[in-house]
Amino acid sequence: TQLLEQSPQFLSIQEGENLTVYCNSSSVFSSLQWYRQEPGEGPVLLVTVVTGGEVKKLKRLTFQFGDARKDSSLHITAAQPGDTGLYLCAGPEGTSGSRLTFGEGTQLTVNP
Amino acid sequence: DAGVTQSPTHLIKTRGQQVTLRCSPKSGHDTVSWYQQALGQGPQFIFQYYEEEERQRGNFPDRFSGHQFPNYSSELNVNALLLGDSALYLCASSSTVQLSGLFYGYTFGSGTRLTVV
Repeated sequence: TQLLEQSPQFLSIQEGENLTVYCNSSSVFSSLQWYRQEPGEGPVLLVTVVTGGEVKKLKRLTFQFGDARKDSSLHITAAQPGDTGLYLCAGPEGTSGSRLTFGEGTQLTVNP
Repeated sequence: DAGVTQSPTHLIKTRGQQVTLRCSPKSGHDTVSWYQQALGQGPQFIFQYYEEEERQRGNFPDRFSGHQFPNYSSELNVNALLLGDSALYLCASSSTVQLSGLFYGYTFGSGTRLTVV
């Protein structure tokens, strides 16, 4: 089983601050995905990174896939209260690739 | 465009009972996967259905079973409920059409919160 470790587990910051969360594995993944989950809701896909070294930007969110495809990071610039949520990274495993293994998540709280 | 619909949203059951959870996938999706998410943890894969058959299964006991219907909707059944089965059960739909052989992600429902007392 391929494992994904996320850090930090909890993060509480003030509005306007920058932050980075990490997703690490000892295994190589063909791709990694980031989801955001709000209380009482299911995870919502933010991005999929597929190429080692790839950087993708989604407004104030920047996602990077490590060169060796074993790790990824999510950087948020000028965080806002609306960014509050559980951030999950996930990678495919199994023969079909559509079975995902998830990290335990980073719970982000942005205080006004 | 309706996304993934799950029912019921909340459920309370007693130990030893049986429960059935339901899921309608996003329009155009033909594959349904079920995940269990315990409080404070990431989702864990239970199983996946495609063409009305179980295609992949995670490390869950046989008390967990499922079904997919011709219209792609799906059910998750759990027998002999244990306190440890209390969790958020997520249904995720996807399409077998993949670009470049890669899986580009799920659409999740809002989940069913199951509490076993």
